[in-house]
Amino acid sequence: AQSVSQHNHHVILSEAASLELGCNYSYGGTVNLFWYVQYPGQHLQLLLKYFSGDPLVKGIKGFEAEFIKSKFSFNLRKPSVQWSDTAEYFCAVTTTGGFKTIFGAGTRLFVKA
Amino acid sequence: DAMVIQNPRYQVTQFGKPVTLSCSQTLNHNVMYWYQQKSSQAPKLLFHYYDKDFNNEADTPDNFQSRRPNTSFCFLDIRSPGLGDAAMYLCATSRDGVREQYFGPGTRLTVT
Repeated sequence: AQSVSQHNHHVILSEAASLELGCNYSYGGTVNLFWYVQYPGQHLQLLLKYFSGDPLVKGIKGFEAEFIKSKFSFNLRKPSVQWSDTAEYFCAVTTTGGFKTIFGAGTRLFVKA
Repeated sequence: DAMVIQNPRYQVTQFGKPVTLSCSQTLNHNVMYWYQQKSSQAPKLLFHYYDKDFNNEADTPDNFQSRRPNTSFCFLDIRSPGLGDAAMYLCATSRDGVREQYFGPGTRLTVT
């Protein structure tokens, strides 16, 4: 069965620290990959996505993610976090057949000011 | 400018008393989804509609039903809520089921 694993459930960082959140998926075929973010009190929203092409994708607010096909990974990075990045981050995978998106369990990031 | 709207935001129902959650969208997307999300867990897909075609996940209990009377609206019916059905219910849309999804704010269901 398809699954998505996020390695860290809780991450605490100080402002200006670098961030990397791990995401691995299990599916042998072609996938579309997403990171969604949920800020406190807000709904889930798209942070960035990968469909094809350059495996390094850039999203909003300085976030980027790298797709490494051989490792079935799509890790999220940000060089310098801000207090406003405090949120829950979800990695998600959709097969190119479409319709079903599998979400990881989420990583709660807390950034100390 | 809300694009996916869910009503109500909070719903309290009694054990066994049917409840309906509502979702509407202004995006004119073909696909609408319902997810169940429990605390500290991933959103779990219950079912989706592609236009009028209903697709139920294999492990979605029969207690959960859905209706999509038109492109804009989709409803989640829980026929006999149990305590284990207390959760956040998320509605989402997608243009074609492959692209990104747009989520509503969710309805938090409490079962007493």
